[in-house]
Amino acid sequence: KQEVTQIPAALSVPEGENLVLNCSFTDSAIYNLQWFRQDPGKGLTSLLLIQSSQREQTSGRLNASLDKSSGRSTLYIAASQPGDSATYLCAVTRTGGSRLTFGEGTQLTVNP
Amino acid sequence: KAGVTQTPRYLIKTRGQQVTLSCSPISGHRSVSWYQQTPGQGLQFLFEYFSETQRNKGNFPGRFSGRQFSNSRSEMNVSTLELGDSALYLCASSTDRAYEQYFGPGTRLTVT
Repeated sequence: KQEVTQIPAALSVPEGENLVLNCSFTDSAIYNLQWFRQDPGKGLTSLLLIQSSQREQTSGRLNASLDKSSGRSTLYIAASQPGDSATYLCAVTRTGGSRLTFGEGTQLTVNP
Repeated sequence: KAGVTQTPRYLIKTRGQQVTLSCSPISGHRSVSWYQQTPGQGLQFLFEYFSETQRNKGNFPGRFSGRQFSNSRSEMNVSTLELGDSALYLCASSTDRAYEQYFGPGTRLTVT
């Protein structure tokens, strides 16, 4: 059974700092990994999708990497801003499936 | 392109009642998945529909059911509501299995 873990559970940083969020998964037979952002009481916003054949994806100040063999992904946020404050979730899909298995999320607070 | 829409956004129901939630996917998307989010259990997969057929199902009791229409809109129904069914219900759409999934804003269900 796939298990996804995110560390740390919460993170508070000053504005402008570069930071890394971690995601690990137990079953390497994944098809893709997706990073989401969730603001309080809202739905999920897709940030980045990494196919299993890819090593990383970039979008603006965000960079996500994937190491299938070690079961790890990282989300790098450059020059953090207060507007980046949210919960960040990673999720994986198994080969041939659509079901997303989510981690518990990292609650990020960026202080002005 | 319009995003995923969910109606209603908020619902208050009494224990024992039933409820129907609706989800309209992004135009052209044929896969619709449903998730339940609670503080204790996180995000859990309910089921996925593709071209009007249930393609995948999570570990929820039979009180939770769904369907998809020919225009890809989907509904989920929960019968005999329990207090523990209080949650944010999210739907996601994609073009097909394992593609990038896009979430709606969710329906907040409160069971009293």
